[in-house]
Amino acid sequence: DAGITQSPRHKVTETGTPVTLRCHQTENHRYMYWYRQDPGHGLRLIHYSYGVKDTDKGEVSDGYSVSRSKTEDFLLTLESATSSQTSVYFCAISEPKNTEAFFGQGTRLTVV
Amino acid sequence: GENVEQHPSTLSVQEGDSAVIKCTYSDSASNYFPWYKQELGKGPQLIIDIRSNVGEKKDQRIAVTLNKTAKHFSLHITETQPEDSAVYFCAASLTSGSARQLTFGSGTQLTVLP
Repeated sequence: DAGITQSPRHKVTETGTPVTLRCHQTENHRYMYWYRQDPGHGLRLIHYSYGVKDTDKGEVSDGYSVSRSKTEDFLLTLESATSSQTSVYFCAISEPKNTEAFFGQGTRLTVV
Repeated sequence: GENVEQHPSTLSVQEGDSAVIKCTYSDSASNYFPWYKQELGKGPQLIIDIRSNVGEKKDQRIAVTLNKTAKHFSLHITETQPEDSAVYFCAASLTSGSARQLTFGSGTQLTVLP
């Protein structure tokens, strides 16, 4: 998966607890993205980053925050998890001069 | 913002037959249309893409067509094989800008029956 590691791969957490998902890349790609995948909705963009410390909101950003302090790491935080955030989360990377986006293997998050 | 609709949601074909998946988009400014294949337990993987200055693109058994006027594009898989069974997603985006924000369709579960 193009040198992308998502951790953890699976997580079960309780409503109201904070959760951080990590995306680590070894490709030195400039752009990084967090998507969530839900049945009937395809993949929807949560947040993205176009460089270190440069991030912006996507289509479904409410309840999520991100940070990128190094080129290789992009963190997604759920400050207070809710059941509606039960989903599969995918990280993706791309380069400005290349149209292709590469996806990680996903993190399955269950909020109970 | 962009809205992408994808049909059908499920598709079953006999091995060797062709499969066609269709998508429509709403933003006439979109100029990049990739197709992704997602196998069970894995992340989506790009299989073919097309830009708005091209009407058709082929790669072996896979082809994509684009009708800019009607704002729809389609994926065609010929001579289907069991390994083609997967979920397929279309997407649309702009190629310019600071980062490429893909808007995805809802996916098509393709099953190739032996």
